[in-house]
Amino acid sequence: TQLLEQSPQFLSIQEGENLTVYCNSSSVFSSLQWYRQEPGEGPVLLVTVVTGGEVKKLKRLTFQFGDARKDSSLHITAAQPGDTGLYLCAGVTTGANNLFFGTGTRLTVIP
Amino acid sequence: GAVVSQHPSWVICKSGTSVKIECRSLDFQATTMFWYRQFPKQSLMLMATSNEGSKATYEQGVEKDKFLINHASLTLSTLTVTSAHPEDSSFYICSASTGAGGNSPLHFGNGTRLTVT
Repeated sequence: TQLLEQSPQFLSIQEGENLTVYCNSSSVFSSLQWYRQEPGEGPVLLVTVVTGGEVKKLKRLTFQFGDARKDSSLHITAAQPGDTGLYLCAGVTTGANNLFFGTGTRLTVIP
Repeated sequence: GAVVSQHPSWVICKSGTSVKIECRSLDFQATTMFWYRQFPKQSLMLMATSNEGSKATYEQGVEKDKFLINHASLTLSTLTVTSAHPEDSSFYICSASTGAGGNSPLHFGNGTRLTVT
């Protein structure tokens, strides 16, 4: 099992603030994905990063894949209550076809 | 887009009974399907990987005789929790992939909440 540690585990912020969620591992991943999950539903894919150092933007969300492909970050600018949810990183190791999820970050944005 | 349907969305059963959960890919053929379990306020833990027509590969610590997986067709995989106990209560989620490689897109179902009384 590949261990993907996310930090922080819980985050509660005011609307309009910025935040960063980190996803770290000692393993190298061929690709890394970020998901958001609402209670009682399956996770929804936000982005996939495959190249070390890659940066992708999705509106107010910025995703970065570490140069060594062992870590990733998710930065949200001007958070809104609709951003509330469980954010999960998930990685695929080279040659494998399994997706392993990180420990999760539960974000609450207070209006 | 690709849709994965899970059924039932929730189920309550008595301890000692068996429960079957279905995972269907509605508009694509799924070469590989994955089953995850998620306890409250925790992340998804991969239980097993199933490929159509072959035996499932279980992750370490997951009892294959307790969690029976059948991937009989390219659009259907089932997970049967046998002799369920209260500690099996959890949120079970399947995902389906069109390819065999790890970078093939995964499509997730909406999960099944199992409560064992």
